[in-house]
Amino acid sequence: AQSVTQPDIHITVSEGASLELRCNYSYGATPYLFWYVQSPGQGLQLLLKYFSGDTLVQGIKGFEAEFKRSQSSFNLRKPSVHWSDAAEYFCAVVLDDKIIFGKGTRLHILP
Amino acid sequence: DGGITQSPKYLFRKEGQNVTLSCEQNLNHDAMYWYRQDPGQGLRLIYYSQIVNDFQKGDIAEGYSVSREKKESFPLTVTSAQKNPTAFYLCASSKTTSGNTGELFFGEGSRLTVL
Repeated sequence: AQSVTQPDIHITVSEGASLELRCNYSYGATPYLFWYVQSPGQGLQLLLKYFSGDTLVQGIKGFEAEFKRSQSSFNLRKPSVHWSDAAEYFCAVVLDDKIIFGKGTRLHILP
Repeated sequence: DGGITQSPKYLFRKEGQNVTLSCEQNLNHDAMYWYRQDPGQGLRLIYYSQIVNDFQKGDIAEGYSVSREKKESFPLTVTSAQKNPTAFYLCASSKTTSGNTGELFFGEGSRLTVL
């Protein structure tokens, strides 16, 4: 079955440190890939997307993600996190017109 | 500014009561969606609509109903048949109907608590 896996339920990093959130999908073809962010009690906001072309994509708020076909991964990165980045992050894929979300990774920032 | 408005933000209901959550968008988007979010479960699709007067069940439609009489509006009714309705409900929309690009615009959510 098609699935999206975010292996880390919680991640804690210090402010100013680098960040990488993992996302893997299981499907033979290359889907459309997305990262969304959700602040507490709010809706989701699109951070970035990959459809085709350059495998390193830039998003809003200084985030980037790299698509690696060989690993079926689409990891989200940020070189230096800010306290305002504390939120829940969701990876999503679209395949055959169906949107599948991962279960999310909650990011905690230490001052 | 264009966007999606969900109301109410917080709602309490007694067991056995139906409740309707409102979702309005002024983005001129064709497709609209309802998701349910529970802690640690991600987002699960309840219903979606790609065009006025048409909608399809998602993964967890039992105990819910929707209507799409206008392009801008996609209300969700949580019926008394829904066994565990306490959750955070998110409405979303997307521009296209021919091929889902996955670019969703979300409302701020409605938190339903059943007492």
